[in-house]
Amino acid sequence: DIQMTQSPSSLSASVGDRVTITCRASQGISSYLAWFQQKPGKAPKSLIYAASSLQSGVPSKFSGSGSGTDFTLTITSLHPEDSATYYCQQYNSYPWTFGQGTKVEIK
Amino acid sequence: QLQLQESGPGLVKPSETLSLTCTVSGGSISSSNHYWGWVRQPPGKGLEWIGNIYYSGTTYYNPSLKSRVTISVDTSKNQFSLRLDYVTAADTAVYYCARVLVVPDYWGQGTLVIVSS
Repeated sequence: DIQMTQSPSSLSASVGDRVTITCRASQGISSYLAWFQQKPGKAPKSLIYAASSLQSGVPSKFSGSGSGTDFTLTITSLHPEDSATYYCQQYNSYPWTFGQGTKVEIK
Repeated sequence: QLQLQESGPGLVKPSETLSLTCTVSGGSISSSNHYWGWVRQPPGKGLEWIGNIYYSGTTYYNPSLKSRVTISVDTSKNQFSLRLDYVTAADTAVYYCARVLVVPDYWGQGTLVIVSS
């Protein structure tokens, strides 16, 4: 199985800050990487697929980059509603695997 | 607007079978563009992919569950189902069904299944 490792596990940032979350795959996955946002008690929401393609309706404050083994999710101009846990997921090969999550809190 | 809704027992006894159904509305489960999948999340923990199914019945399962899991589709009812045999407390989780277009893009609200006697 491909292991997905996110860093940091949690972060605290101020409104208006730019936030970057990193996801590393244990082997190359090309650009078969997705990002999800999950708020407490809610289902995950798809933000990005193919490493950098924004899902329909997702604001452009979210962006993704990377290929191979190293990927990043960037949130520009953090707002209180961005407080959530973010997960990366590889779909290069089965079984699909998720990172452990990064909890983003607002100071 | 596509909607997915999980249904099934919220409490299952150890060694018994967990059975959940996902009802799809606002779209056809027979779309050739999509898979349909299940993901679970133990309380306070991360996400685990369970498996995917195509409307034709082709399935892909997580090997960690493969010997116990069955996903099936009923196109006449626009539903797909999850069956997990011989459950233990480790199977306690919120179970989500999802439409898969490249990746899961529409999700159900999730249903908590507790395994306990």
